[in-house]
Amino acid sequence: DGGITQSPKYLFRKEGQNVTLSCEQNLNHDAMYWYRQDPGQGLRLIYYSQIVNDFQKGDIAEGYSVSREKKESFPLTVTSAQKNPTAFYLCASSLDRGRFDGTEAFFGQGTRLTVV
Amino acid sequence: DAKTTQPTSMDCAEGRAANLPCNHSTISGNEYVYWYRQIHSQGPQYIIHGLKNNETNEMASLIITEDRKSSTLILPHATLRDTAVYYCILPPEETSGSRLTFGEGTQLTVNP
Repeated sequence: DGGITQSPKYLFRKEGQNVTLSCEQNLNHDAMYWYRQDPGQGLRLIYYSQIVNDFQKGDIAEGYSVSREKKESFPLTVTSAQKNPTAFYLCASSLDRGRFDGTEAFFGQGTRLTVV
Repeated sequence: DAKTTQPTSMDCAEGRAANLPCNHSTISGNEYVYWYRQIHSQGPQYIIHGLKNNETNEMASLIITEDRKSSTLILPHATLRDTAVYYCILPPEETSGSRLTFGEGTQLTVNP
């Protein structure tokens, strides 16, 4: 079945450590996205990529880094520079045919990161 | 960016229709309206989208006013599993592609 997979579902790290969250999709989508969600709030865009080897900062990119070496994969690294990393992280992908061509985004089930 | 306004929360009785409103008075002529929902601790799920005409699929119906300044998502026979946060979304103008910005949405609670 085609879909988008995030792993792991739960992740615990000590303060000061970098941690990488995995996101893989087999939908042949060009665009991939990382969002952060804090309790009771909406989603905030961290980074997005519309093509391999290219990505752009979203609204809250500070303290995060990404890579897009393969179309299928868009890992997110939460660095020690991120002041408050404990959150629910969501990855998404879409065909990205352009803003005026309505197209849906598919989301993974999320990774809940807790930094202690 | 075109902005949307949704009520913070709504309640609906099981089996009744749930009508979720969204105001988007600054929408431009070519912007689609998207609806997603997020069940607690899961990733958002696409529901439906529309441009000018009303749309219907197996999950819901989308009614867009003629001036496109508002829309209503209709769940015709709400079930307890429809309890979720519902997001009305417009892609921001300055980017191409499906970059979606999620606000706080409407918490729909379906009661038995």
